[in-house]
Amino acid sequence: GENVEQHPSTLSVQEGDSAVIKCTYSDSASNYFPWYKQELGKGPQLIIDIRSNVGEKKDQRIAVTLNKTAKHFSLHITETQPEDSAVYFCAAGGADGLTFGKGTHLIIQP
Amino acid sequence: EPEVTQTPSHQVTQMGQEVILRCVPISNHLYFYWYRQILGQKVEFLVSFYNNEISEKSEIFDDQFSVERPDGSNFTLKIRSTKLEDSAMYFCASSVRPTNTGELFFGEGSRLTVL
Repeated sequence: GENVEQHPSTLSVQEGDSAVIKCTYSDSASNYFPWYKQELGKGPQLIIDIRSNVGEKKDQRIAVTLNKTAKHFSLHITETQPEDSAVYFCAAGGADGLTFGKGTHLIIQP
Repeated sequence: EPEVTQTPSHQVTQMGQEVILRCVPISNHLYFYWYRQILGQKVEFLVSFYNNEISEKSEIFDDQFSVERPDGSNFTLKIRSTKLEDSAMYFCASSVRPTNTGELFFGEGSRLTVL
């Protein structure tokens, strides 16, 4: 089955700086790579996703890159704000559903 | 905005008791899922459900677990005889298309505490 590794487990950045979270996956058949933001006591919410036919996707301050050859994908958040503080999960999806990474606790320092 | 709703938000039960967690998926969605998140750990897939039957299930989803869509709106997860290690947050999710082609919408979760 699919195995998703996510790093780092905790990331602390100064407000206004950029944050990068990286994930690798094992199953070359995976073709859908969403990123979820989970705030305390709430369910995961999709913030951006990318499919295997594109290498990069951007939505305002958030971007995701995908390298299918290396089987890794990354989340980039620019100009971080206090409300970006949360746990972020990457996931890889294919015919068998989504496999999640272990999550990154992003802390935005004022 | 349509959303997935789950009840109860928190349930405390004694080991060995049966528990039913309820979910109302988004109305036009066809694919339904249960995921589990043990405190501080990653979200784990339990089961997917489509066309009134289980389409995929993980190793976690053993004989103690069952799912049902008793009517046109509810989707339930039953744990027959709870164990301490079943303590977790259980998330229901739904989507219009299969997970590798469509967005998955999660509910707020049901926290299960087994004593």
